[in-house]
Amino acid sequence: GAVVSQHPSRVICKSGTSVKIECRSLDFQATTMFWYRQFPKQSLMLMATSNEGSKATYEQGVEKDKFLINHASLTLSTLTVTSAHPEDSSFYICSATGYGSEAFFGQGTRLTVV
Amino acid sequence: DAKTTQPPSMDCAEGRAANLPCNHSTISGNEYVYWYRQIHSQGPQYIIHGLKNNETNEMASLIITEDRKSSTLILPHATLRDTAVYYCIVRVGGIQGAQKLVFGQGTRLTINP
Repeated sequence: GAVVSQHPSRVICKSGTSVKIECRSLDFQATTMFWYRQFPKQSLMLMATSNEGSKATYEQGVEKDKFLINHASLTLSTLTVTSAHPEDSSFYICSATGYGSEAFFGQGTRLTVV
Repeated sequence: DAKTTQPPSMDCAEGRAANLPCNHSTISGNEYVYWYRQIHSQGPQYIIHGLKNNETNEMASLIITEDRKSSTLILPHATLRDTAVYYCIVRVGGIQGAQKLVFGQGTRLTINP
């Protein structure tokens, strides 16, 4: 299947700092990328949908000024967690879909805010 | 997208077939059934999808009932590495399918030696 690479896989940051997570589609053009968050023992929760070259669409309850999403090219989307707090600690996962119908997922980023 | 119902957990012996059921009684005519799985601390992995015909690939088989209100994912010879949470999702497919996947709670499948 197609490959989606997410970086970093783990990050620890201090409260109040910002963290950027990258999501790259390595062998296809991702017209749409999705960002999810997953807390322990829970399912994935969609945070936002981004289409290349346009503003992201955020799910209800997700602060767009806190979770900045940029989808500047057909192979790269970034999620920046701004002014991180301990409650932002979670597993963040991106997925990408191209002109087919399946979505492919990155390996996830474990964010710990201390 | 239509909602799905899955049992929260299942056990299966290694080497046997694992049959994971999913109910999607409100599925629309243009919605596909997708299956993903998530091994602990990894991103979900695509398994298979179908519209109304049964489908098979190198990972699994998907059996969809004639009325499309339910389906079964079959792992023919389960191994310990198949232990994961399995998600059944219904959504519009094809070119229109660049839409969000909404995850339910899935089925936690444990393969026992």
